[in-house]
Amino acid sequence: DADVTQTPRNRITKTGKRIMLECSQTKGHDRMYWYRQDPGLGLRLIYYSFDVKDINKGEISDGYSVSRQAQAKFSLSLESAIPNQTALYFCATSDSDRFSYEQYFGPGTRLTVT
Amino acid sequence: AQTVTQSQPEMSVQEAETVTLSCTYDTSENNYYLFWYKQPPSRQMILVIRQEAYKQQNATENRFSVNFQKAAKSFSLKISDSQLGDTAMYFCAFMKYSGNQFYFGTGTSLTVIP
Repeated sequence: DADVTQTPRNRITKTGKRIMLECSQTKGHDRMYWYRQDPGLGLRLIYYSFDVKDINKGEISDGYSVSRQAQAKFSLSLESAIPNQTALYFCATSDSDRFSYEQYFGPGTRLTVT
Repeated sequence: AQTVTQSQPEMSVQEAETVTLSCTYDTSENNYYLFWYKQPPSRQMILVIRQEAYKQQNATENRFSVNFQKAAKSFSLKISDSQLGDTAMYFCAFMKYSGNQFYFGTGTSLTVIP
């Protein structure tokens, strides 16, 4: 089984709808991240969390919110989806106890807003 | 803020040949990590190799090696004996020692030609 899972894997929604993307991990890591990937722009950080009570905005947080329900779960919400939020979304985790700080990525969620 | 630049949007290489992907970064930090991630068509992000800035020795992982030039702020990836499975998007990423997020480049799409 995958260590970092994301649901759904693909989603099509309409403008104005609320949508939630979910991320779960079994790696026991304390840090979790949400990124979006757009062609030609690479990956950009939306939000990150270093533990359940710690939530921080990233580079492009406008229009998004997050919830860290437990150490293993980190959800991303689009309160009112708009077409320019069409992108590939990744969840990632890392372990602050590991010197390398490597990030482990989920399989991604392809979101299309029509 | 840190910036990561990948100046080659697309590259191709013949199977079994060697190819080098370029990455430069801008930072005032002295201690940091650098990473190369691979994203095949499956869209999964996979760590290829990492380098700690304090280490002068270039990192190697089987057919993958880096040329880390700290003074020039350059971190190129060399792939030897290219294989069809190396066809992917490759992202360079930077993280401060004391940091909390990765900064990604815009990616290089590599195609290995049979």
